[in-house]
Amino acid sequence: SQQGEEDPQALSIQEGENATMNCSYKTSINNLQWYRQNSGRGLVHLILIRSNEREKHSGRLRVTLDTSKKSSSLLITASRAADTASYFCATDGGNKLVFGAGTILRVKS
Amino acid sequence: DVKVTQSSRYLVKRTGEKVFLECVQDMDHENMFWYRQDPGLGLRLIYFSYDVKMKEKGDIPEGYSVSREKKERFSLILESASTNQTSMYLCASSTRQRGGSYNEQFFGPGTRLTVL
Repeated sequence: SQQGEEDPQALSIQEGENATMNCSYKTSINNLQWYRQNSGRGLVHLILIRSNEREKHSGRLRVTLDTSKKSSSLLITASRAADTASYFCATDGGNKLVFGAGTILRVKS
Repeated sequence: DVKVTQSSRYLVKRTGEKVFLECVQDMDHENMFWYRQDPGLGLRLIYFSYDVKMKEKGDIPEGYSVSREKKERFSLILESASTNQTSMYLCASSTRQRGGSYNEQFFGPGTRLTVL
């Protein structure tokens, strides 16, 4: 399976700190995407990084992709209480997106 | 703004009932998807469709069927609901790039289905 696996499963930090989540996968991909889900709601797309890209930024988000290690990381800088959510990586191997089980991030104020 | 709407936020049904979950998107997306989400398992793909009247099985299609008669609408059908189908159901839509890779998916708010 090419399923992405996030690490850690849960993360608790203080407001203002940085949060880093990692995603590993098993097969070659076209792109890798990160999504956020607030409690009990639908997912919201955060960022897409293509297989030929190594790093991408969007506001306080920084995503890296290492295709040789089949891994990606999502860094949220200067976290806020509103960043409390579940974060999922999704890998596009060509015929569908495959989502991991997610990292639950809690930002304490 | 892309909008994906689902017919119900919460639904309670009895074992054996036929259940229809409807999803509508307003951005003319070719691709539509149905997922179920269970704690610790992430999102699992049930069915997807890349065109009107086209459907493809995902990872867990057993016990489900789908219908896509119009481009904007994708329905998930539980032919005979069972308690193990109690879950959060999420619909999504997206475009697809030339060459086949997927662009971002836009999700609906989800339907929390309880089967008693």
